[in-house]
Amino acid sequence: SQQGEEDPQALSIQEGENATMNCSYKTSINNLQWYRQNSGRGLVHLILIRSNEREKHSGRLRVTLDTSKKSSSLLITASRAADTASYFCATVVFGNEKLTFGTGTRLTIIP
Amino acid sequence: KAGVTQTPRYLIKTRGQQVTLSCSPISGHRSVSWYQQTPGQGLQFLFEYFSETQRNKGNFPGRFSGRQFSNSRSEMNVSTLELGDSALYLCASSLGRTNGWETQYFGPGTRLLVL
Repeated sequence: SQQGEEDPQALSIQEGENATMNCSYKTSINNLQWYRQNSGRGLVHLILIRSNEREKHSGRLRVTLDTSKKSSSLLITASRAADTASYFCATVVFGNEKLTFGTGTRLTIIP
Repeated sequence: KAGVTQTPRYLIKTRGQQVTLSCSPISGHRSVSWYQQTPGQGLQFLFEYFSETQRNKGNFPGRFSGRQFSNSRSEMNVSTLELGDSALYLCASSLGRTNGWETQYFGPGTRLLVL
């Protein structure tokens, strides 16, 4: 079963614009992670944010976490064609330590 | 360091057959997890092995099994294949130092087609 639901399911933007995708989850978490997947290949870890953190940055990526709303967002600034991929959030729940993935957002950057 | 490798990359089987997939983790990583990805169900956790012991298991039937060897390499086996087992099977490794599920490093996957 999916712990996270991501919104939107698909997003197309012009190169250079910012992309924001959201993830909502159902139960209390230990941490939340974002992954990228290019065209049916393996997943690449982007960033991990713990339940006691509210914001984290990594290069052009900014992740926020609102545990009261059980939601997270991933912002990619100054998008590039190479950012075209599917993005997944994954949660780790206290007492059940495995990655539970969301449904994913398909991001297309238009050159 | 070399990344996570999975073999074979592509596989075609028929219903009723069995299949074994292999995963070699990043050197020094002791935890190996397996995931199934399908268009309908998305990414689902199969099981995780740490030091040759299954430490966590997802909600899959007993036809799905796995094991881990002393060098941390892992195999998963699916017996009596069904059409619905067609999927991308992903392996991920991590240091496994804690139970807090730190960064997972994924392999390229094995794409299984069941006819």
